[in-house]
Amino acid sequence: GAGVSQSPSNKVTEKGKDVELRCDPISGHTALYWYRQSLGQGLEFLIYFQGNSAPDKSGLPSDRFSAERTGGSVSTLTIQRTQQEDSAVYLCASSPRLDYNEQFFGPGTRLTVL
Amino acid sequence: AQSVTQLDSQVPVFEEAPVELRCNYSSSVPPYLFWYVQYPNQGLQLLLKYLSGSTLVKGINGFEAEFNKSQTSFHLRKPSVHISDTAEYFCAVDLSGYALNFGKGTSLLVTP
Repeated sequence: GAGVSQSPSNKVTEKGKDVELRCDPISGHTALYWYRQSLGQGLEFLIYFQGNSAPDKSGLPSDRFSAERTGGSVSTLTIQRTQQEDSAVYLCASSPRLDYNEQFFGPGTRLTVL
Repeated sequence: AQSVTQLDSQVPVFEEAPVELRCNYSSSVPPYLFWYVQYPNQGLQLLLKYLSGSTLVKGINGFEAEFNKSQTSFHLRKPSVHISDTAEYFCAVDLSGYALNFGKGTSLLVTP
């Protein structure tokens, strides 16, 4: 079956612009997670959704970052006024439920901020 | 708080040789532990996980790992590696029941 998909696969933007990153989880998965993978910080947890609700937003690096999920399916991670330090690979994962103990990862979106 | 340390950033090994990738964790309670693999330009794939029970965990592609509570370790092993095992390997611990806390990764390079 189809795995987690993310779009775009690559995004190059100018400093100060806003970007939207999209994640389509595996159908039926109620839990969805966002991570960031960068050279300096490794893999960092950003936020998770249980259904459309994000109970813990403390992993988001700054208030320029926000995420939403609609219809219990697609999620969008938005970065406003991008900075060069936002350059990273943004990974999305999903799981059938929160306590499933396995997360299925998408291929990521590589964001480059010039 | 729980954290993970991967002691080797790079591990070069010859094809058909055994390999061990080291992972140590810090936790005040028995953790859930994972190994993920990332092939070039791909997402992360679960290799194996330890939740409870037997301390020797077998995963996909011939990999196994042993949970050692006294040494707070969860080292990954394979008795004979293939060229196709060349990838980045991440050890992770479950954080708060939903977030994975990953180590910095170990790059395994298998050469003929």
